[in-house]
Amino acid sequence: SQQGEEDPQALSIQEGENATMNCSYKTSINNLQWYRQNSGRGLVHLILIRSNEREKHSGRLRVTLDTSKKSSSLLITASRAADTASYFCATDASNAGGTSYGKLTFGQGTILTVHP
Amino acid sequence: DAGVIQSPRHEVTEMGQEVTLRCKPISGHNSLFWYRQTMMRGLELLIYFNNNVPIDDSGMPEDRFSAKMPNASFSTLKIQPSEPRDSAVYFCASSPVGASGGSNQPQHFGDGTRLSIL
Repeated sequence: SQQGEEDPQALSIQEGENATMNCSYKTSINNLQWYRQNSGRGLVHLILIRSNEREKHSGRLRVTLDTSKKSSSLLITASRAADTASYFCATDASNAGGTSYGKLTFGQGTILTVHP
Repeated sequence: DAGVIQSPRHEVTEMGQEVTLRCKPISGHNSLFWYRQTMMRGLELLIYFNNNVPIDDSGMPEDRFSAKMPNASFSTLKIQPSEPRDSAVYFCASSPVGASGGSNQPQHFGDGTRLSIL
């Protein structure tokens, strides 16, 4: 099963509204990251939150992390049509040797559509 | 700065043919990852390298798939022989990793190779 699972699978909103996407995971992590993918393009990193952090902001993005619940949320405020994309959470979890080499496990993603 | 460069961007070939996908990571990044993305299975990690050494290839679906990293600036993913079910978008990504193997750095993705096997 996926380490990171996003909810909802699809989200449709109007421009100016806020969009919230959630991610749950199963094992202990070093950090959790959010990525965006526009149609026909590669994934683009948005924000990284470490396991000892609870909240992080970047422009219109706000990410929270609750390690006790093994969950994270991504909030996009004042959405724009250009925010239309798929959003993925990814977890970095060390292996038994304590290293991850940057390996990430991605969820299935949330498809966000922002209508003008 | 140049990002991760993948070639070709699109590949259409007939079943049974050999396919070679290429990736040039960002200079200075010492971990390299190959992914496959399909609608049905999402984004799957196939194999990853650290300092040109394969660390984990457990995601490689079959012996028909092989990957190499002969130097820090080049990697290939080869499928031989190719089958229609190999049709997907293949991504390469790179990231910098510390000497201890730990990382709190993002991965940087190329724009992928869209592979169609007829």
